[in-house]
This record gives sequence, C-alpha cells and structure tokens, in this order.
Amino acid sequence: DAGVIQSPRHEVTEMGQEVTLRCKPISGHNSLFWYRQTMMRGLELLIYFNNNVPIDDSGMPEDRFSAKMPNASFSTLKIQPSEPRDSAVYFCASSTLGAGGEQYFGPGTRLTVT
Amino acid sequence: GIQVEQSPPDLILQEGANSTLRCNFSDSVNNLQWFHQNPWGQLINLFYIPSGTKQNGRLSATTVATERYSLLYISSSQTTDSGVYFCAGRSYNTDKLIFGTGTRLQVFP
Repeated sequence: DAGVIQSPRHEVTEMGQEVTLRCKPISGHNSLFWYRQTMMRGLELLIYFNNNVPIDDSGMPEDRFSAKMPNASFSTLKIQPSEPRDSAVYFCASSTLGAGGEQYFGPGTRLTVT
Repeated sequence: GIQVEQSPPDLILQEGANSTLRCNFSDSVNNLQWFHQNPWGQLINLFYIPSGTKQNGRLSATTVATERYSLLYISSSQTTDSGVYFCAGRSYNTDKLIFGTGTRLQVFP
C-alpha cells in the first residue's frame, strides 16, 4: 500500500507568489494533519481534518494560510501571498480516526521563498 | 496541552555502542509514538507504544504510562541510525500529536 503522498517535493518561489502544497493520505485513513518543521520551532501542527472536516486550525500562522480537504483522498495547503519566513518543510500525515490512530508521515515538501 | 521533554538533546556514539533515549510527558497520554528522522528529512515510524514494551530488531521501546515516560533503546548502533529521534504523544481529549524537541544522534564508524 502506498504511503502518504505529497507534491511537490521541493518548491522555490518568490515572495508574494501563491504556493499550493498537495497531499494524498493513506487509503482508509480518516484523519489528515498538516505540520510545519523549522529549525527554530521544530515540528508544529498547523491544522487537522477528521472525515474531511477541519477540526482544529489554531496552529495556522495567519490568514495567508488556508487548507482544504474536498474529499477523503486529497488535501491542499495554500499560502497566499508567500513570505520568506514561510520557508520550511511542510509535512502531511494521516491516521485512522480516533484515539488509537497511529500517524504516518509523507516525505514532506521543502518550501523556499526568496 | 501536554508538554513533551526528550533527553539527551544530543548523543554521539561509536558504532557498536548501546544507547537509551528518554521521553517524559507532563500528563497522561493515550497514544505515544517514536519516530526517526533520517538525514534526508524523512520521518519514519519506529514504534506505536502507548504502554508496555515492543521490540523491532536492534530497537526496543518501553512506555510506563502510569509514570508518564517512555524509553527507546538502540543496541549495537550503526552509522545508519544517525538522525533525530522524536517522541510524540496525544492526550485523551484531543487528536493532536505533540512532539518533543528530539534527540540528535550521531554514530561514527
């Protein structure tokens, strides 16, 4: 079975541009999580969905960030407009629903905003 | 929310040595995972271990839920064990997995 799939793996963009990161969770997983990793702040949870519904977006830095999950097999994280401080590795993870769900991570998208 | 503390923050070993990494939680958890982030940045699942002991090859983990800590044992370390080891826990009233700051392990031949 394929793991969590993320695209693109690397993204370099200029400040002010829109960036869209994509994630396909493991088939059968009902929960999807977006994380950001930086040297300064470590791994931070940005937002997570249960059954395609956003449950907690308290980690989203500001209004420039938005996330959607239109169906069970696809989610996007959008940054508009992007800023250099958004440079980080963005991970998507998925798990089965409920307390016992083990989370599995995708390979991440390394975003560089110049 | 819960706080997760990992120790030591850094560890340098020679190939063949054994090590123990520790993870402390400020509150009870119902989900505890150990991950290895390799030098290429991938987060690899090592153990899902809310309680008890598990072993996988040279690695084993023990979680004592009542005392709110978990240990990861690496035996006969190899250079490929290098990277950052994270533990993460989830408390009973949320789906959020809270990560520790990690233990950076370097294994030299």
